[in-house]
Amino acid sequence: ILNVEQSPQSLHVQEGDSTNFTCSFPSSNFYALHWYRWETAKSPEALFVMTLNGDEKKKGRISATLNTKEGYSYLYIKGSQPEDSATYLCASPRGGYNKLIFGAGTRLAVHP
Amino acid sequence: DGGITQSPKYLFRKEGQNVTLSCEQNLNHDAMYWYRQDPGQGLRLIYYSQIVNDFQKGDIAEGYSVSREKKESFPLTVTSAQKNPTAFYLCASKKGEVLQEQFFGPGTRLTVL
Repeated sequence: ILNVEQSPQSLHVQEGDSTNFTCSFPSSNFYALHWYRWETAKSPEALFVMTLNGDEKKKGRISATLNTKEGYSYLYIKGSQPEDSATYLCASPRGGYNKLIFGAGTRLAVHP
Repeated sequence: DGGITQSPKYLFRKEGQNVTLSCEQNLNHDAMYWYRQDPGQGLRLIYYSQIVNDFQKGDIAEGYSVSREKKESFPLTVTSAQKNPTAFYLCASKKGEVLQEQFFGPGTRLTVL
């Protein structure tokens, strides 16, 4: 994998459903993996910065796991709520830790 | 409140005109970034600056220019040489330490008529 890729591109779930999506990134020269949430009409906000293989981070109903050897991270949302509707971006530094390469994002819509 | 401001929110310009997008932060962050977003694509890095009076090209710098005369400010000029300037532009900043997250402004939507 040469770039950061996210799947699926979009996702529609019902309120209360749990969901997950994937970020794939180059596993060579790994520095870190960032997750951001971008709500409509707002600025992207950082969710997690992950660095260690096997790491798991949690913020409320949202959690993320990291596999640096195979180059993927999963983001999980337990019991989705309409306020979780957003685009979820992942990014990984490349060419130095200051340059983030972003995936195209997963657009999540949670329907009441 | 500390944060990043971008102005204006919407900007319309005629083809062939240069236009400057403003980005200001009062977070005392060392590094600042400009990204461009197009539909269906991830954020693409235009320019970034790690310290005052220094900046580096990102992946899509052609047709853009920046300056970093003050720590708080990182304006982006979209020149007439940029072939497809209509896009959403995001500014971000972060502390100088490794592995810090970036903080984003609200963005400017530029439409070239």
